[in-house]
Amino acid sequence: SQQGEEDPQALSIQEGENATMNCSYKTSINNLQWYRQNSGRGLVHLILIRSNEREKHSGRLRVTLDTSKKSSSLLITASRAADTASYFCATALYSGAGSYQLTFGKGTKLSVIP
Amino acid sequence: DAGVIQSPRHEVTEMGQEVTLRCKPISGHNSLFWYRQTMMRGLELLIYFNNNVPIDDSGMPEDRFSAKMPNASFSTLKIQPSEPRDSAVYFCASSRQISTDTQYFGPGTRLTVL
Repeated sequence: SQQGEEDPQALSIQEGENATMNCSYKTSINNLQWYRQNSGRGLVHLILIRSNEREKHSGRLRVTLDTSKKSSSLLITASRAADTASYFCATALYSGAGSYQLTFGKGTKLSVIP
Repeated sequence: DAGVIQSPRHEVTEMGQEVTLRCKPISGHNSLFWYRQTMMRGLELLIYFNNNVPIDDSGMPEDRFSAKMPNASFSTLKIQPSEPRDSAVYFCASSRQISTDTQYFGPGTRLTVL
């Protein structure tokens, strides 16, 4: 399975601190995506990084990808209470003829304390 | 844009009953995905469609589960007969194309089978 696995499972930080979440996977991928899920809501796409990219930024988000180690990290800088949510990595693989797999990890539950 | 619409938002039913979940994807999106989320198994891809055609249903747990997409603006996921272990949150997501990658999730249907 190429399922991504996030680490840590839960993270609690003070507002203003940085939060780092990691994701490891097992097989080759076309891209890796990070999603956020607020309690009781659907997932919201945050950022996508392709297999030939090493780093990507979007606002306070920074994502890195190391395909040699099959790992990715999501950094949220200057965290806010509104960042409290579960964060999921998802690995995408196309295997031809329209076949597509997007496999989600179990998520990291982030709590930002005001 | 109204986003992905799912109905009902909550469903409580008794074991053995038929359950039908509905999804309206974002207009113009050609790909539609059904996911199931539980605490134990996380987020699992059940089936996805491209241009109304089912591409991969290998994630459908049993023959009790079936999905249809009769047109570009509507899809159903049916469970018949339902069992308590089917209790979960079911999400529908859509994207412009499979290769575009960004998936937009609906708010989910929380299903409880008693």
